[in-house]
Amino acid sequence: EAQVTQNPRYLITVTGKKLTVTCSQNMNHEYMSWYRQDPGLGLRQIYYSMNVEVTDKGDVPEGYKVSRKEKRNFPLILESPSPNQTSLYFCASSLELFDTQYFGPGTRLTVL
Amino acid sequence: GQNIDQPTEMTATEGAIVQINCTYQTSGFNGLFWYQQHAGEAPTFLSYNVLDGLEEKGRFSSFLSRSKGYSYLLLKELQMKDSASYLCAVRGPSGTYKYIFGTGTRLKVLA
Repeated sequence: EAQVTQNPRYLITVTGKKLTVTCSQNMNHEYMSWYRQDPGLGLRQIYYSMNVEVTDKGDVPEGYKVSRKEKRNFPLILESPSPNQTSLYFCASSLELFDTQYFGPGTRLTVL
Repeated sequence: GQNIDQPTEMTATEGAIVQINCTYQTSGFNGLFWYQQHAGEAPTFLSYNVLDGLEEKGRFSSFLSRSKGYSYLLLKELQMKDSASYLCAVRGPSGTYKYIFGTGTRLKVLA
């Protein structure tokens, strides 16, 4: 089944403890992106990638890192999480630039 | 600055027609997307406009006017399952995968 998967789906952690949220797609998509969704603020783009080893900042990249070493995977890294990074995170991918985005199921992160 | 505006909430009756408006001001425009998002779930694609005019897909239609920075999503023959949030999103500058999303319109369909 064609899909975008994210792990973990739920995570509660403490301030400063490094974590990685994985994202993987099996559709051979070129383009991938990370978003966070907060009440009243909507979806905001954190980082995106247009190809292997090519990443760029979205609107809210502070406090996050990404890497794209393989086409299918696009992990989101929080080196030192803080409570203001408590949010619902979505990974998305597209086959082509003009194609729609396909979203993963989301990861609900709580930073205490 | 960049901005996408949509109404926060709308209510309509089952079987009716509802129009959800979206206005945008963005640096660069390479298409406008509408997504549906049920509570606690991921957004799913509804429609895409890159040229002016109306795109129709079953019960859903979307309209775009680039000169006015305006789009709407029209939902016909509303069903209870259409109760969801509807997100307007613009893909930004050419050659990028940058997206700006509106905050979404929460639609309640009443019996």
